[in-house]
Amino acid sequence: DAGVTQSPTHLIKTRGQQVTLRCSPKSGHDTVSWYQQALGQGPQFIFQYYEEEERQRGNFPDRFSGHQFPNYSSELNVNALLLGDSALYLCASSIEGEETQYFGPGTRLLVL
Amino acid sequence: QQPVQSPQAVILREGEDAVINCSSSKALYSVHWYRQKHGEAPVFLMILLKGGEQKGHEKISASFNEKKQQSSLYLTASQLSYSGTYFCGTELVLGNEKLTFGTGTRLTIIP
Repeated sequence: DAGVTQSPTHLIKTRGQQVTLRCSPKSGHDTVSWYQQALGQGPQFIFQYYEEEERQRGNFPDRFSGHQFPNYSSELNVNALLLGDSALYLCASSIEGEETQYFGPGTRLLVL
Repeated sequence: QQPVQSPQAVILREGEDAVINCSSSKALYSVHWYRQKHGEAPVFLMILLKGGEQKGHEKISASFNEKKQQSSLYLTASQLSYSGTYFCGTELVLGNEKLTFGTGTRLTIIP
């Protein structure tokens, strides 16, 4: 049973560029949440997707957007990258109505 | 609001016990505990729901005090594999699955 997968594992971008991160949820899971984890901090909730719609959003600017596909996989897009966007981006999947979220290995983004 | 975890870091010898606390200023529906090793994804340990009982498996257990909005994670007879950073994630509303994580507790187990 495959767990949550994310791609790419690492990414280096420069300020002002745009980036797309990808997530495939655990088999049978239909809900995807994205988190940003800065070095030495706990994960911070960005947003959550269910039934191809953004259901909830954390305190992140509109530069952060996402998408969920019919197969439940998801993308996170970040426009106009800032140095402060450098972080580990984690995707977590779950089953609607169930509480437990399972995290993927993350994508480490470095903005120069 | 971010839950507060204590202690921030702890060093134990193999076989010793540890308690990690997580406190919130808001009423909680659930508390989720994760362990994250350096460079890896957080791994789910357990969830405690409002009105639920203390949970545990093997030598790791947790409790949830609804009156104090506080949860504690208990690690007994710690093993080297327990090393890592422990995070509590709190959920304010039933089913919204939006977790607010604490700043973590770094646990180091030495032989």
